[in-house]
Parts: sequence; structure tokens; C-alpha cells
Amino acid sequence: EVQLVQSGTEVKQPGESLKISCKGSGYSFTSYWIGWARQMPGKGLEWMGLMWPATSEIRYNPPFQGQVTISADRSTATAYLEWSGLKASDSAMYFCATTLNGNFFWDYWGQGTLVAISS
Amino acid sequence: QSALTQPASVSGSPGQSITISCTGTGSDVGGYNHVSWYQHHPGKAPKVIIYDVSIRPSGVSNRFSGSKSGNTASLTISGLQAEDEADYYCSSHTRNRLYVFGTGTKVTVL
Repeated sequence: EVQLVQSGTEVKQPGESLKISCKGSGYSFTSYWIGWARQMPGKGLEWMGLMWPATSEIRYNPPFQGQVTISADRSTATAYLEWSGLKASDSAMYFCATTLNGNFFWDYWGQGTLVAISS
Repeated sequence: QSALTQPASVSGSPGQSITISCTGTGSDVGGYNHVSWYQHHPGKAPKVIIYDVSIRPSGVSNRFSGSKSGNTASLTISGLQAEDEADYYCSSHTRNRLYVFGTGTKVTVL
């Protein structure tokens, strides 16, 4: 069974660092794009960027370039989304997804990770 | 690279048909047949219901259909049911080899 399992809820303070994870199982992790999407409270979904784990090619959507870091550990089939200095505006639900059955749509999704930033 | 434009809300009575539009540019919707649609119930993972403009994944009801004309894609839900009440997002591959979502549409079943 294909699964993307994300790490749990995080409560952090502004300025702190954070790395959330998305572990893939049931498929060849390195052979498919992994994408990250954000949903801020009461707002719509936004694509943040995507990664090809086999080559570590990463593409960031412009608003997120320089704001987050996407990475992956091929040995553990885990993708990561990382911040080095959290802001209150980073409070959101974050989803990972993969393109298992086609290159241009996202058919398997993680359950989401809620990140809350508060002083 | 702006979000694709969708109506904020669409409503209909059970059994009716509704259509959600998704307007982009020639650099995304108009330039590629890689528009997909996602159904999203709050607090849950999004679910793809249409890909490549008009193809339904296995297991998705045939009440969902998609089309495209120029820079605008559309999702039609026919025979509206209570379980269809959710947020719907279009997404398109872009010229920059990225993806962009639509602004999202809340579907209400009256």
C-alpha cells in the first residue's frame, strides 16, 4: 500500500528552526516527484516546490525560494521541509504529495502537518 | 506566477449540476493539457478527481468531468450529492516546470 506519512503537529516560537518530514512507503521513493503544499488558516492551497529524489533536483515556487529548504534522504525514503527562522506567518498546514501514476498530477498525499508559531 | 482564478463559492441543490471555472494564462492552463482538480475536505488530504484536463482516476465517480477551452479549465459535478460538499482546487503545470493551484472554490449543497 502506497503511503506518505508526515510528522506530527509542531508548536514553535518565532525565530526557531524546524524540519518536518514525509516518509514514503509502498513504492519506489526515488522514482517520483515529491511536492510540498501549504494551507494557511482559512486560505487556499499553495504549491511550495517539488523535488526529484533520485537526483535531488529541486524547484521552488517563487514566493518560497529562500524561505524554506526542501530535501530528502533516499536511504530512509523521507522528504523534508525545513525553516531556519520561523515567522508567525509560517503557521499553516503543510502537505506532501507524490506523482505516482503520472508526471503532472498528485495522486498520493500525506495527512498533513500542522505548524503553529506563537510567542 | 499568480494563483489561477476560481469562483470563491458555488452552490446547488441535490441532483443539480454545477460548474467551477479555473482561469489562468498561456503559461499554465492555456499552454498545457496538465490541469488537475482536487477535492479537499478540511483537515484531510486533498484527493485528485480529474487529471490531464478530463481524465478521471480509477474509483472517482463519473459525476465529475473536466474540460478546457483556451486559458480556462472547468470542472462539472453532475447529480450533486451532499457528500460533494467540499473545497475544490484546480492545479496546472506551468512554463517554469512548477505547479500552481487555483484560488479554491467552496461547494455548498443546499
